[in-house]
Amino acid sequence: DTGVSQDPRHKITKRGQNVTFRCDPISEHNRLYWYRQTLGQGPEFLTYFQNEAQLEKSRLLSDRFSAERPKGSFSTLEIQRTEQGDSAMYLCASTPGGREVTSSYNEQFFGPGTRLTVL
Amino acid sequence: ELKVEQNPLFLSMQEGKNYTIYCNYSTTSDRLYWYRQDPGKSLESLFVLLSNGAVKQEGRLMASLDTKARLSTLHITAAVHDLSATYFCAVDASGYALNFGKGTSLLVTP
Repeated sequence: DTGVSQDPRHKITKRGQNVTFRCDPISEHNRLYWYRQTLGQGPEFLTYFQNEAQLEKSRLLSDRFSAERPKGSFSTLEIQRTEQGDSAMYLCASTPGGREVTSSYNEQFFGPGTRLTVL
Repeated sequence: ELKVEQNPLFLSMQEGKNYTIYCNYSTTSDRLYWYRQDPGKSLESLFVLLSNGAVKQEGRLMASLDTKARLSTLHITAAVHDLSATYFCAVDASGYALNFGKGTSLLVTP
């Protein structure tokens, strides 16, 4: 399977614990995005990387959240001191990046998501 | 702040009927995407609309974009049960973040 993969698919944790999620984008996709989706809502942008550089962060990304993409391939999203309000589906997406690469500019391909439940 | 509004949010329709889902957005953009999401699943890309007047069709679904009206439509023709899902439109006004609507939950009944 050459799509975007995420691990774990489900995570249940207690309030105050730290959690880390992993995303593997489609091979050779330069851009990687993180979104959060709560029940009954559309995904909301959190942050994105161009290769290993984190270029934008949403104001939704509080200080308890940190994302990395150290080698420009996979990415991790860590949430420290989880709160019940962090319960959501965390989605990762990737694109080739750059107008010259594809006519479907910024068409984002999503992974299966990690569903986080904070008790 | 870019706002993306879909309507209706819930739609129950009989098999064989036609219907249109509307997506309005609040800022200038010529890049709009439609996604499908099944319960508990991730998002599947359906259509990419990159210019005013763009029209794309796939099976019983047809999407169009009017950038002057800031409006996209997703038209369903002769609905079948397999089309039951949640449909999202997403607007790209920044070059990176997609701004999604709340989604239209579609249920096709016999």
